[in-house]
Parts: sequence; C-alpha cells; structure tokens
Amino acid sequence: GAVVSQHPSRVICKSGTSVKIECRSLDFQATTMFWYRQFPKQSLMLMATSNEGSKATYEQGVEKDKFLINHASLTLSTLTVTSAHPEDSSFYICSAKGLYNEQFFGPGTRLTVL
Amino acid sequence: GDSVTQMEGPVTLSEEAFLTINCTYTATGYPSLFWYVQYPGEGLQLLLKATKADDKGSNKGFEATYRKETTSFHLEKGSVQVSDSAVYFCALLNQAGTALIFGKGTTLSVSS
Repeated sequence: GAVVSQHPSRVICKSGTSVKIECRSLDFQATTMFWYRQFPKQSLMLMATSNEGSKATYEQGVEKDKFLINHASLTLSTLTVTSAHPEDSSFYICSAKGLYNEQFFGPGTRLTVL
Repeated sequence: GDSVTQMEGPVTLSEEAFLTINCTYTATGYPSLFWYVQYPGEGLQLLLKATKADDKGSNKGFEATYRKETTSFHLEKGSVQVSDSAVYFCALLNQAGTALIFGKGTTLSVSS
C-alpha cells in the first residue's frame, strides 16, 4: 500500500530557531501533498496544499512566511517553521494525494519549542 | 461550506460491546466519505471509505454505510476490543477533490 513517511518524528528546539520537517511518499509519486496541524485533543487543521513545482496554497490565517513549504520533487515536500516560538508547538501531519484523490497520511511530527 | 459533525466523546465501552459513532455531513453534491483512526502519538490511518450513495465501507470489523437521504456515515462495530481504543475521525472529500474536511474526532476507550 501507499506509505508516507515524515522526518523527524519528534523535534525539540529553542525559540527563534527554524525547523524543517520532511514528508516523503515512499512507493508512489504525489503531485499534491497536504500539511495539517493538530492541537491536543482536537481535529486536524489544514494549513496548506503543496503542489510539486509550484507555490503552495495556504489556508486563511496561516502565515506563509512563517511556514515555508517546498515541494521540490514528486516524492518530497518540506515544511519549515521559521523563527519558531512556543505557540508553534504542535503535531504536524502531512498527507500525500493518491491516484483517486485519496490521502495517505504520514505518522506526524511532534514539534516542541522551548 | 462543507462540514462534518461527529458525536462528541469520549465513548467508553467494555470489550465485546457494540459500537456506533455518529457522523453527519453537509456538502455540495455527493462527496466521498471516510473514517480515519488515530492511535496515541501516531498519524492518521484510513479505516474505511465510501465513494457513492449506499456504498458500505468495511475494514477490521468496522462498517459504515453512505446514506444520502440522511447525509450520514455512521461507524459501527459489532464487538470492540481493547486495541480499538483510539480517536476516530469522520471526513469528506470536497467536490473539487482538493481538501479533506474532518470532524472533530471521537475518542473511544475500551476496557477489558
């Protein structure tokens, strides 16, 4: 089946630093990937849609200069949280769009900003 | 706009009990419907899906039927196990196929 990986699975960083999270589709090509944020005991909030070779589409209220997304290849999208602050601490989940519009989710990345 | 409403949890059951988690939706057209499961500390896994009215999705003993007339996609399982303890999310794919809209999630806790 379609497998999506994320790296790292957990990261702790100091306030003011930048953190990059990778999302890879391991056995299929994904022209579209999605980035979600999940707060404790809450649902997933779509942050942005990442399209290979073009600029990401951000949802309303999501700062594109804060959350940089790059989809450089058909199997890799990256999310960089720039100048991270404690309020950016969250669980970030990516998904990759399959052939029939289904989404395959990565295992998530737990970001803690001190 | 499109939306998904799930019953609020937590749902607490004993092993082998019958499970129903209600899900209703509001959407343009006839969206594909999904149930995802999230185990503690993990990402989401697709549990089952249905792409058109009257379709029944099933997997691992879980079932859900796409009911157009009631705009519902309730999740059921005849006999839950402790290992089913997780958060369950109902979701729909918007008509353009560009976004998954999630419900708020329902926490299921099964005790032995």
